Amino acid sequence: DAGVIQSPRHEVTEMGQEVTLRCKPISGHNSLFWYRQTMMRGLELLIYFNNNVPIDDSGMPEDRFSAKMPNASFSTLKIQPSEPRDSAVYFCASRAGGPLRDTQYFGPGTRLTVL
Amino acid sequence: EDQVTQSPEALRLQEGESSSLNCSYTVSGLRGLFWYRQDPGKGPEFLFTLYSAGEEKEKERLKATLTKKESFLHITAPKPEDSATYLCAVQAAGGFKTIFGAGTRLFVKA
Repeated sequence: DAGVIQSPRHEVTEMGQEVTLRCKPISGHNSLFWYRQTMMRGLELLIYFNNNVPIDDSGMPEDRFSAKMPNASFSTLKIQPSEPRDSAVYFCASRAGGPLRDTQYFGPGTRLTVL
Repeated sequence: EDQVTQSPEALRLQEGESSSLNCSYTVSGLRGLFWYRQDPGKGPEFLFTLYSAGEEKEKERLKATLTKKESFLHITAPKPEDSATYLCAVQAAGGFKTIFGAGTRLFVKA
């Protein structure tokens, strides 16, 4: 199993530019989570999808952030326009149903730097 | 409000020096408490899930325990490769959000 795949691994962009982060969850998992991690705030949940449907996006900082999950094997997190305070590591995690339904498996993360 | 507090923030041990990490939590009905390990530049790696007070789980040199207010991650005879940040998280009953603590950075010196 390849695990959760995220791309790109590193992204450096200038303020005002659009940024798109990508995630491929583990095959068969029906829940997907986007997190942001910073030294100041730790790991924060941004949005949660279940069966490709957004269930809760209350963690999305503002309208500049949007997330989609067009199918069970792909999700994107978009920031437009990006700002320096968006600099962080963004993680995608997926979770299966059944007995292991509570365990989330994380991807390697995308380190975003906004100049 | 659901909350997770981990202590200490950082812990430095000599190889072989056993110790414990603490995770105190406040949640409106606990569905599960999770321990993750995170190495620099990587995503959190799942270690344990605990569901009820009194439950214990072990994996190699690690043992996690749970009470109604806190969880401990005991590290027995640690090795340098155990150096990492250990994250604790809780999920409330009836919810889906997992709330993470700030983590404990563990350094084990040979």
